[in-house]
Parts: sequence; structure tokens; C-alpha cells
Amino acid sequence: GDSVTQMEGPVTLSEEAFLTINCTYTATGYPSLFWYVQYPGEGLQLLLKATKADDKGSNKGFEATYRKETTSFHLEKGSVQVSDSAVYFCALNRNYGGSQGNLIFGKGTKLSVKP
Amino acid sequence: EAQVTQNPRYLITVTGKKLTVTCSQNMNHEYMSWYRQDPGLGLRQIYYSMNVEVTDKGDVPEGYKVSRKEKRNFPLILESPSPNQTSLYFCASRPTSTDTQYFGPGTRLTVL
Repeated sequence: GDSVTQMEGPVTLSEEAFLTINCTYTATGYPSLFWYVQYPGEGLQLLLKATKADDKGSNKGFEATYRKETTSFHLEKGSVQVSDSAVYFCALNRNYGGSQGNLIFGKGTKLSVKP
Repeated sequence: EAQVTQNPRYLITVTGKKLTVTCSQNMNHEYMSWYRQDPGLGLRQIYYSMNVEVTDKGDVPEGYKVSRKEKRNFPLILESPSPNQTSLYFCASRPTSTDTQYFGPGTRLTVL
């Protein structure tokens, strides 16, 4: 079945460091891919998305490119800030049968950024 | 303000005492869904609804019920809660025109 695998955390970085959080997926068909972010004590917010191969999603300095050949959607940011400390979830949507639009999430990666 | 609201935000209860967690959205979205979040497991879908009176099981439906009598509301019902249902619960919604879901703030449930 469909699944999402993302790197284990926690990840601890110093401010202004480069961030990569790896995400790979297994899916039937051509899902859309998402990164959601959960700040402490809050619900999930959409960070960025990509709907087809080679699309790049970007938002707030974060980027991720939909790579069909490697089934990956790695999240990157060139210079993290303390305010980026959060849990990041990679997700895909089931896009077949009666389950259109149901999201499958990775386990989440907790990022802590130190000043 | 467009939003998904959940109530209560925090709940401590005892095994076997029926409870309902409410979810409401003011965006006229057709699709609504419930997830539970557990450490090391991420979010897993419990139930979803494509529209009024249309509901279906997600990946972990055991021990839960839902109903969708109105478009804006999608309550989650635990008829006989057990300690393994202690979790953080999220409601989400989206219009059928997009695959982006909007999440509520979460309900932290503890079953003793």
C-alpha cells in the first residue's frame, strides 16, 4: 500500500544552518505531495505542496522538489531560524478508488534550532 | 475567519464513559476527516466523509464512530473509550476542488 518514510528525528541545528529533511514515498498512481508543519501546541499547517513530477513547492524559505525517479520529496531550507523549531510531516494523498484526497503521513521529524 | 474548530481541546475521562469530540468548519467544505497522532506513528486517519451522510473508514477506525448530518459538523464518538485511545486528535476539512486539507487545533484525550 501507499506509504511515506521520512528521516528520524530529532534534528538539532544552529541558527543559520542548512536544513534537509528526507522524505521518500511509495504510491499507486500520481499523488500530490505535501509538507505540513506543527508548531508547539498547535495544529498542522500546510507548508508547501507539489502536484506533479518536477514541480517545486516553496514557502517561507523552504523548498521541496517532486522527484518521481527517486520517489522523493526532500525538504530544504538554506538558513534556519529559531522560529522554525517544529515538527515537520511529509504526506501524500491517496488518489485512486474511493479514497481520493485521503492523506498518508510520515512519522514526523522534530526540528530544534538553537540560537 | 476561515477555520476548523474542535471541542474540547483537552479531555480526561475514564474507561467506558461515552464521549463526543466535536468538529466544525465554516468554509463550506465537502470533505472532512479525523486523524489521531501518536508518538513515533505520525498521523493516522480514523474516518472521513466526502459529504453529508457519506462516511467511510480510514486506517484505524476500531472503537470510533462518526456522523455527518450537516455539512459543517463532523463529530467523533467514542462509545466506550479505552486507555489505548489516549491520543491527540485532529479534525481536517477541504473542498473537493483541491487536495489541501485544513486542520483544527487538536484535542488531547486521556483515558484513564
